Amino acid sequence: QSALTQPASVSGSPGQSITISCTGTSRDIGDYDYVSWFQQHPGKAPKLMIYDVTSRPSGVSNRFSGSKSGNTASLTISGLQAEDEALYYCSSYRSSGTLYVFGTGTKVSVL
Amino acid sequence: EVHLVESGGGLVQPGRSLRLSCAASGFTFDDYAMHWVRQAPGRGLEWVSGVSWDSGTIGYAVSVKGRFTISRDNAENSLYLHMNSLRPEDTALYYCAKDMGGDYPWALSEFWGQGTLVTVSS
Repeated sequence: QSALTQPASVSGSPGQSITISCTGTSRDIGDYDYVSWFQQHPGKAPKLMIYDVTSRPSGVSNRFSGSKSGNTASLTISGLQAEDEALYYCSSYRSSGTLYVFGTGTKVSVL
Repeated sequence: EVHLVESGGGLVQPGRSLRLSCAASGFTFDDYAMHWVRQAPGRGLEWVSGVSWDSGTIGYAVSVKGRFTISRDNAENSLYLHMNSLRPEDTALYYCAKDMGGDYPWALSEFWGQGTLVTVSS
């Protein structure tokens, strides 16, 4: 089963915006709007930040936004803050084989 | 308030079996699909298995298919993962997670347990 592809790391200065990409295939991101994004701090369980490509769960800051184009989904963090430093994983429903898949993970660093 | 509490992890020899449990509370358990997700030390998240609300739809990652079996007991609000023929590469923190709906298409929700650690080593 192949994971969704994410960059290993992305960094930015406080207040800046950064974007994390997540590339899949037509069996997942390309054909379905069921992309989610999770944030994970060290030693903690993952936290859902975005679901259904663009929706935010209650309590998640509107500095986090999601989008999709073709087989690639993206997570944008605006007004970067120190607390945003964490690992971020995309995920998606997949129509065949492994029925759900995570991305490879991206470490976000705040400079 | 939703609570998911995993148990059953521990140290086990290669080739042996182990059963993980997840006790759920704070929501109508038999309305939702449930999942197991694992994370090896220093590695990323890996979806392991999922089961629909009525156990009618079940899926497995290729890496565990044929060795692991997911099940649920809606009367007991519990989720299980039976793991056979364990390998060192199965060493990981195993999380139980609630889905956003009852069946396909699966989408993991914001509700996860804290995980139970499985170590496979001789």
